[in-house]
Amino acid sequence: RKEVEQDPGPFNVPEGATVAFNCTYSNSASQSFFWYRQDCRKEPKLLMSVYSSGNEDGRFTAQLNRASQYISLLIRDSKLSDSATYLCAVNVGGSQGNLIFGKGTKLSVKP
Amino acid sequence: AAGVIQSPRHLIKEKRETATLKCYPIPRHDTVYWYQQGPGQDPQFLISFYEKMQSDKGSIPDRFSAQQFSDYHSELNMSSLELGDSALYFCASQGWGMNTGELFFGEGSRLTVL
Repeated sequence: RKEVEQDPGPFNVPEGATVAFNCTYSNSASQSFFWYRQDCRKEPKLLMSVYSSGNEDGRFTAQLNRASQYISLLIRDSKLSDSATYLCAVNVGGSQGNLIFGKGTKLSVKP
Repeated sequence: AAGVIQSPRHLIKEKRETATLKCYPIPRHDTVYWYQQGPGQDPQFLISFYEKMQSDKGSIPDRFSAQQFSDYHSELNMSSLELGDSALYFCASQGWGMNTGELFFGEGSRLTVL
């Protein structure tokens, strides 16, 4: 079983829709959690960190459920520019930490 | 603002050749990470350096080596290249005091092995 798992999608949604992605992780010792966005053939870019209390940044809301070992990302009022692959990333600690990425969930927002 | 600079952006090599990728982190960032992303795959952690010392090691093949220099730039050396080494290689940097896992990635070096 892969350490970080995501539904690969694609999620095809109309503009203005609300869409949610989940990501599960297997290592209960995981310490910190992130969502990265990756456009086709481009580098991953940090979208947001995920805190235990949940956090919101504009149209994006991230939640962490440690008991069930999953994190989620909610995008409200989808824009065409939100089309990308969303990578879940988990840090299990260690020296300076390194990230274990999921394979990503592809989102396509249509007009 | 200055970003992470990687070179070359594209590289084509034959099997069994060697290749060297370079990474220049954001100024004042002291930690560098290398990731490998194959087609349709997630980025896989290879190796990291903090203050010029190796800090963590992931799935880096023995044919690969890396180091961080006094000016904090890093180089990934790949020898005896195989077809399966064809991938996008990302370097990411992180500064002191930043939350672990909040990385800034370069645009990547695309290696094609023929």
